[in-house]
Amino acid sequence: QQQVKQSPQSLIVQKGGISIINCAYENTAFDYFPWYQQFPGKGPALLIAIRPDVSEKKEGRFTISFNKSAKQFSLHIMDSQPGDSATYFCAASKQGSWGKLQFGAGTQVVVTP
Amino acid sequence: DTEVTQTPKHLVMGMTNKKSLKCEQHMGHRAMYWYKQKAKKPPELMFVYSYEKLSINESVPSRFSPECPNSSLLNLHLHALQPEDSALYLCASSQPREGNYGYTFGSGTRLTVV
Repeated sequence: QQQVKQSPQSLIVQKGGISIINCAYENTAFDYFPWYQQFPGKGPALLIAIRPDVSEKKEGRFTISFNKSAKQFSLHIMDSQPGDSATYFCAASKQGSWGKLQFGAGTQVVVTP
Repeated sequence: DTEVTQTPKHLVMGMTNKKSLKCEQHMGHRAMYWYKQKAKKPPELMFVYSYEKLSINESVPSRFSPECPNSSLLNLHLHALQPEDSALYLCASSQPREGNYGYTFGSGTRLTVV
């Protein structure tokens, strides 16, 4: 049973456009929601993370929006660049789980020149 | 040092071989993890070590044997693997303070079982 559902599976966006990836969860005990970026042949790298007491967090061109009542969170990549082409995973974790991350299925983002 | 170093980067082994994957970090993190990742799939948790003790084993077959010799090192011993075990094996570390679950992943070991 997938505890974090991620969409879309893939995304093509033009350079300068906005990439939007959505995730939904069921377990209200989750209290940490990170996004990871993974390039081919590399391990995932932490991009940005949010906690449920905050509705939005911005770091550079990357923004997480969090809707606690809807149990949804999303990643917005503003001014998308070809170097942003990668697979993006949302994830969730909770206290007492030894830091175990529940990953979404991933979204492959391709930014065209 | 803000890296998790994994060796080897690539490994090809036969089904009767014994091999080991190594992971090292010097960030003072006291939680270390092994994940398995198949192509176009998210990482799947295998094991969690917290303060050098095994905290989680996600029902991993006994042909995978983890070891945490000290707070900086994590090994994964492999024996009698199957072709379906071919995958990217990722090590990660974090500081298990309350509310801080930010992982640092290594680049992984690409394992091929023939």
